Amino acid sequence: SQQGEEDPQALSIQEGENATMNCSYKTSINNLQWYRQNSGRGLVHLILIRSNEREKHSGRLRVTLDTSKKSSSLLITASRAADTASYFCATGLGYIPTFGRGTSLIVHP
Amino acid sequence: DGGITQSPKYLFRKEGQNVTLSCEQNLNHDAMYWYRQDPGQGLRLIYYSQIVNDFQKGDIAEGYSVSREKKESFPLTVTSAQKNPTAFYLCASSIPRTSGGPDEQFFGPGTRLTVL
Repeated sequence: SQQGEEDPQALSIQEGENATMNCSYKTSINNLQWYRQNSGRGLVHLILIRSNEREKHSGRLRVTLDTSKKSSSLLITASRAADTASYFCATGLGYIPTFGRGTSLIVHP
Repeated sequence: DGGITQSPKYLFRKEGQNVTLSCEQNLNHDAMYWYRQDPGQGLRLIYYSQIVNDFQKGDIAEGYSVSREKKESFPLTVTSAQKNPTAFYLCASSIPRTSGGPDEQFFGPGTRLTVL
């Protein structure tokens, strides 16, 4: 069963705009992670936020976590065509994460 | 360069044949995983291994088998018992956390298996 569910399923924006995608989950978690997958490639780990953290930044990425609402958001600022990819959240309590179905982001140059 | 390699990148199989997908890592990670990804779907866990000579079934293990004879290698065999094997297969590894999991996972480039 899938723990995290990303929203929206697909997102299309222009270069330079911000992209926001959300992840909702159902049960308690220790941490929440975001991964990126370029078409036909493996996943790449982007950022991890622990359950006792509310916000985390990494370059143009900003992740928030609201454990009371069981939700997280990933914000990519000043998007580039190279950000075109699928983005997955991964959550859980044990050492194996459970992945959502992902948000497909297209950034038009 | 440290990383995970998977081979082959593309694999074609006739119905009724077994096929083995290779996964090798030089990250010195103890844990390794196999996932299956279908179009528009998330990753589903097939098998995982925390240490050499030990592995556990994931959510969709039926029709698959694995071995873990070396720390660096975790091959996946797709058997003829797997009813719908056409998919993208991803191998990953991690350093198992002692607490505060889940672990950050490092992925290989994937193998696309097509059954003809």
